[in-house]
Parts: sequence; C-alpha cells; structure tokens
Amino acid sequence: NAGVTQTPKFQVLKTGQSMTLQCAQDMNHNSMYWYRQDPGMGLRLIYYSASEGTTDKGEVPNGYNVSRLNKREFSLRLESAAPSQTSVYFCASSELPGSNNQPQHFGDGTRLSIL
Amino acid sequence: SQKIEQNSEALNIQEGKTATLTCNYTNYSPAYLQWYRQDPGRGPVFLLLIRENEKEKRKERLKVTFDTTLKQSLFHITASQPADSATYLCALNRGSTLGRLYFGRGTQLTVWP
Repeated sequence: NAGVTQTPKFQVLKTGQSMTLQCAQDMNHNSMYWYRQDPGMGLRLIYYSASEGTTDKGEVPNGYNVSRLNKREFSLRLESAAPSQTSVYFCASSELPGSNNQPQHFGDGTRLSIL
Repeated sequence: SQKIEQNSEALNIQEGKTATLTCNYTNYSPAYLQWYRQDPGRGPVFLLLIRENEKEKRKERLKVTFDTTLKQSLFHITASQPADSATYLCALNRGSTLGRLYFGRGTQLTVWP
C-alpha cells in the first residue's frame, strides 16, 4: 500500500521553463491538496480539490495551476517557473469533504530548484 | 488572518524526560487541531487530533491538551527517546467542511542520550 506517491522527487529548472508535478493516492480519498514548504515557514496551501471534478485556490495560488485528473490523481503545473517558486512541494489526501476530523496523508515531496 | 505560533524553533531535552511543545493561535477558534511529525526529507505524518470540545487526548507516550480559553494546545512526549527527534507541526481547522488545515512552522525536537 503506497499511500501518496509524488513524482519526480527532485527537479532543477531554469527560469521560464514549465513543468508538472504529479501526485497519486491509492487510499480512495476524495480530497487532495498541494502545499509548499519553505525554510522558516509553515506548510502553505497552494490549491486543493475537495472532490473529483472540483478545485479551489488556497493561500498562495499565484503562478500555479492544478488538474484533478480522476479520483486518484492531482497534478500541479508551473507554467513559467520563477526563482521564488524554489521550494519543497507536498501533496496530501484525506477522506470525504465534510468529514472534519480526518487527518491528511502526505507524500514525501518534490524538491524543486529554479535557477 | 489566522496566525499559528509554535513556541520555539528548537527544543533539546535529555532522554527519559518529558518534552512539551506549545501551539498558540489567534483570531479564530478552530474546530479541531492536529499534530504531525516530520522527519528530514519526508512528508508530515499524522499523530493526534483533538476536537474543540475535548480537553485532552492520549496515545501511548503522547498527550495533547486543548485550551480554547488560552487559545493554546500543548503536545507532550513522555519518557522521550532519541528516536523521537524530529520536527513537530501543529495544524488547525476552522470548521471548514473542506478539511483545510493551517500549519504552524514547527518545533524541531532533539532528544540526546
């Protein structure tokens, strides 16, 4: 049982390049989330998907887009990478929206550097 | 906006002692609060959840308290071990049905032999 799988684990981009971070979960969860984690700051929510077919902005959505491809997969796209987007990106999932007491399950992150 | 503060960036204690980590919040009263553990190079792992109407929750050597008057949660690890060394994150939900969490910056705990 893999849980939440993120690919790639590491990536280096040049400013202006685009890329998509992939996330898949095998726990049949309805809700999925993308966070970024920077030194000295807590996890900050970029986008989330409460259920298949819906996506909403979090705290820091600028410069990103997301796609909820199906119930299992939730991808994060950087259209034109900027050095300020250098960070560690985490994907998470949880059970039914509206079930307020469910923990989130995290992947091990994608470490992204933009030069 | 919601503000969450964890008492310090780093806490160093001796093996066998009780570690106490603090999480303070402002502006809103959360519906529930969660604690996570994060090891270097890994994603956070859920430890405990406490609801706004609960005072205390226990799981093995872990204990969480929740004081909505003080707007504070305390996280205790009793009989601490070097393997408990990690960063501990608190996160709160403001009652949103979408399950959104707001995270603190974390406290790095080091337990030395």
